[in-house]
Amino acid sequence: QLQLQESGPGLVRPSETLSLTCSVSGGSISTKGFYWGWVRQPPGKGLEWIGTIHFTGTTYFKLSLDSRVTISADTSKSQFFLKLSSVTAADTAVYYCARHAATLPFDPWGQGTLVTVSS
Amino acid sequence: DIQMTQSPSNVSASVGDRVTITCRASQNINYWLAWYQQKPGEAPKLLIYKASSLESGVPSRFSGSGSGTEFTLTISSLQPDDFATYYCQQYNNYWTFGQGTKVEIK
Repeated sequence: QLQLQESGPGLVRPSETLSLTCSVSGGSISTKGFYWGWVRQPPGKGLEWIGTIHFTGTTYFKLSLDSRVTISADTSKSQFFLKLSSVTAADTAVYYCARHAATLPFDPWGQGTLVTVSS
Repeated sequence: DIQMTQSPSNVSASVGDRVTITCRASQNINYWLAWYQQKPGEAPKLLIYKASSLESGVPSRFSGSGSGTEFTLTISSLQPDDFATYYCQQYNNYWTFGQGTKVEIK
């Protein structure tokens, strides 16, 4: 059974870079056809897609976050990563990772990890 | 970007009620639409994919319909476990979520 788990610092200072890891077990992130995405949810608010990496390494980002987001992967460790630079309080959110595909929605999801941006 | 608009934002309903949530896309997304249920402190759970296909293990009281730009999620007889927030999501062109609909106890 495929499982995803987010990890990373729970507190990031304003203007610094948020870095998260999603560890995938029960499957490989190199599996043909799949995408691996990041979604966030500010406290009390809705879901926002941030970006995605395809099994080929191609990346896709939400337009409004494009200049600040980097997504990469380490297939040998079955992990993919999110970096969000120049963070502000508005980036405080629960960050989720999830698998998806061209014809499949996000499923499964990790449990999520809360990242707070504060000095 | 494709915008997804859900209505209503909140629903107050009783156990046994039929509940319908609407999701509109700003452009044609064919049937590439999913519905998720989210409870406080939990990750979203996939209910419906490809507009009307029920995810394995999801109760049959949940159903989805629509294509193009207009979609609905229907809960035929609301159960206590169904009080939650529901999100639609398009995956026709990149990926966008609706703003959510909270189903509350009346």
